[in-house]
Amino acid sequence: GAVVSQHPSRVICKSGTSVKIECRSLDFQATTMFWYRQFPKKSLMLMATSNEGSKATYEQGVEKDKFLINHASLTLSTLTVTSAHPEDSSFYICSARVSFSGGGTYEQYFGPGTRLTVT
Amino acid sequence: AQSVTQLDSHVSVSEGTPVLLRCNYSSSYSPSLFWYVQHPNKGLQLLLKYTSAATLVKGINGFEAEFKKSETSFHLTKPSAHMSDAAEYFCVVSERDSSYKLIFGSGTRLLVRP
Repeated sequence: GAVVSQHPSRVICKSGTSVKIECRSLDFQATTMFWYRQFPKKSLMLMATSNEGSKATYEQGVEKDKFLINHASLTLSTLTVTSAHPEDSSFYICSARVSFSGGGTYEQYFGPGTRLTVT
Repeated sequence: AQSVTQLDSHVSVSEGTPVLLRCNYSSSYSPSLFWYVQHPNKGLQLLLKYTSAATLVKGINGFEAEFKKSETSFHLTKPSAHMSDAAEYFCVVSERDSSYKLIFGSGTRLLVRP
């Protein structure tokens, strides 16, 4: 099956610094990846859609200058949290979209998530 | 806009008894619906999906769900709970535009008592 990895799995950074999270599709190519944020005991909130070779599409209320997304290749998307603050502490999850049957149906495969703690 | 409502934040069952996790959806047109499971420290795993074929969908690990358009429901069931089923379950609806974005419900935590 399709495997998506994330690195790092956990990261602690100081307030004001930036941190980069990588999302990789290991055995397939993904033109579209998604970034989600999950607060403790809460659901997943879609932050942005990452398209290979073009700018990411951000959901309403998500600061594009704070959460920089780069999808430079068909197997890698990165999320950089810039000038992190304690309120950015959260669980960040990526997914990669795979199409089947000549593009008629899609499925998303999720990474294991990255726990970010900003002190 | 599409949305899903998971009616129970927590469900507790005894091992060996049936499981019912409830989900209602709101959609302007025929939706694609999914159930995902999230175990602690593990990625989300797809249990099953409905994409306008058979209304009774069978998934992995003995789970199944029935799409009922008249009730706008997509409840998840399993005849007999196992301790390993304890996890967070998410009902999800997919946008039918070209983005195919997933919209997650609030989640239901399933507890399985010995």
